[in-house]
Amino acid sequence: AQKVTQAQTEISVVEKEDVTLDCVYETRDTTYYLFWYKQPPSGELVFLIRRNSFDEQNEISGRYSWNFQKSTSSFNFTITASQVVDSAVYFCALSEARGQGAQKLVFGQGTRLTINP
Amino acid sequence: NAGVTQTPKFRILKIGQSMTLQCTQDMNHNYMYWYRQDPGMGLKLIYYSVGAGITDKGEVPNGYNVSRSTTEDFPLRLELAAPSQTSVYFCASTEDRGTYSNQPQHFGDGTRLSIL
Repeated sequence: AQKVTQAQTEISVVEKEDVTLDCVYETRDTTYYLFWYKQPPSGELVFLIRRNSFDEQNEISGRYSWNFQKSTSSFNFTITASQVVDSAVYFCALSEARGQGAQKLVFGQGTRLTINP
Repeated sequence: NAGVTQTPKFRILKIGQSMTLQCTQDMNHNYMYWYRQDPGMGLKLIYYSVGAGITDKGEVPNGYNVSRSTTEDFPLRLELAAPSQTSVYFCASTEDRGTYSNQPQHFGDGTRLSIL
């Protein structure tokens, strides 16, 4: 069975600090996809990144970066120079690579990130 | 372009009542999903659909029913509401770009449902 663990329930940092959100996953599939979503206080879910299991290259998008390591089954998310607007709950999710395209996302419990001014 | 629209945004039900949560998308996506999010938890898949007329169970389907008569609409029905169904419900859809495409899911804003 697939499982995603986000061990950090809550993180609180001061603005401009760097912060890393951990994500560890379990799957028996050799082909799978990993995702990060952001849920701001308003409640909607915002897609941040998708990564397939064959692509271990790290990705950077502005202040956001992701580190994917298959050897440790981890897909960690780092925010550099954090801002108050980054305050949200962040979810890591996993799906098997379905041939027909429909995906069953398995979510972690989420990490509530609070950036204090 | 509205994306995924869910109605209502909030609802309070009494135990034993039934209701339908509406979800519609205007992106012509084949794949649609229903999730529930309990307080302090991640989302769990209730049902999903790969196209009109085709639905399948997710991780937590008990107490719910779905139908998919059109590409645009994917309503979720609660029969005999129970306190354990108090949750925030999210509808999502994905684009079909072919085999193994696994496109990101587009989520609606959610329906907050309380069963008292």
